Amino acid sequence: EVQLVQSGAEVKKPGESLKISCKGSGYSFTNYWIGWVRQMPGKGLEWMGIIYPGDSDTRYSPSFQGQVTISADKSISTAYLQWSSLKASDTAMYYCARHTVASDAFDVWGQGTMVTVSS
Amino acid sequence: DIVMTQSPDSLAVSLGERATINCKSSQSVLSSSNNKNYLAWYQQKPGQPPKLLILWASTRESGVPDRFSGSGSGTDFTLTISSLQAEDVAVYYCQQYYTTPYTFGQGTKLEIK
Repeated sequence: EVQLVQSGAEVKKPGESLKISCKGSGYSFTNYWIGWVRQMPGKGLEWMGIIYPGDSDTRYSPSFQGQVTISADKSISTAYLQWSSLKASDTAMYYCARHTVASDAFDVWGQGTMVTVSS
Repeated sequence: DIVMTQSPDSLAVSLGERATINCKSSQSVLSSSNNKNYLAWYQQKPGQPPKLLILWASTRESGVPDRFSGSGSGTDFTLTISSLQAEDVAVYYCQQYYTTPYTFGQGTKLEIK
């Protein structure tokens, strides 16, 4: 079964760092782009960026460039999203998702990681 | 960035009736090289991640019921549910994947009347 399994919910304070993960299984991890999508409480979906684990080619939305870092470790089929200094406005659900084999739509989604940033 | 605008923001339809959701892009997402529209539709139920319904504007993803259909080209697109079922209550999003950032519409909340 093709699946993406994300790390668990996090509660952090402003200014702290964080790295959340997304582990792929059931398919060739290095051959599919993985993306990250933010969903703030009660709001819509925001495309943050994508990475190709095969060569770590990465694209960011201008809205998130410099605010987060997307990375991947193909040896363990895992993609990451990290922050160096969290803000309260980073409080959201974060989803990872995989591109389809022949398009850049997302066909497989992780279950989501809720990140809460509060003092 | 390409701006995706959905209408309406919310919609109430009776069971068995047709539901129509519109999506407009600020620039064309039709590729002249392959004549494909780089447009997807997703369904998100409460507490769940989104689910891909339609890609290439009109191609149903495997396993999606045929009451869901997509149409349109260029900048104007439509998702139609031909006969609304109770399990279709959800928020629906369009997304363009023509050029990064691959932006989403703001979502349309579909409810039962």
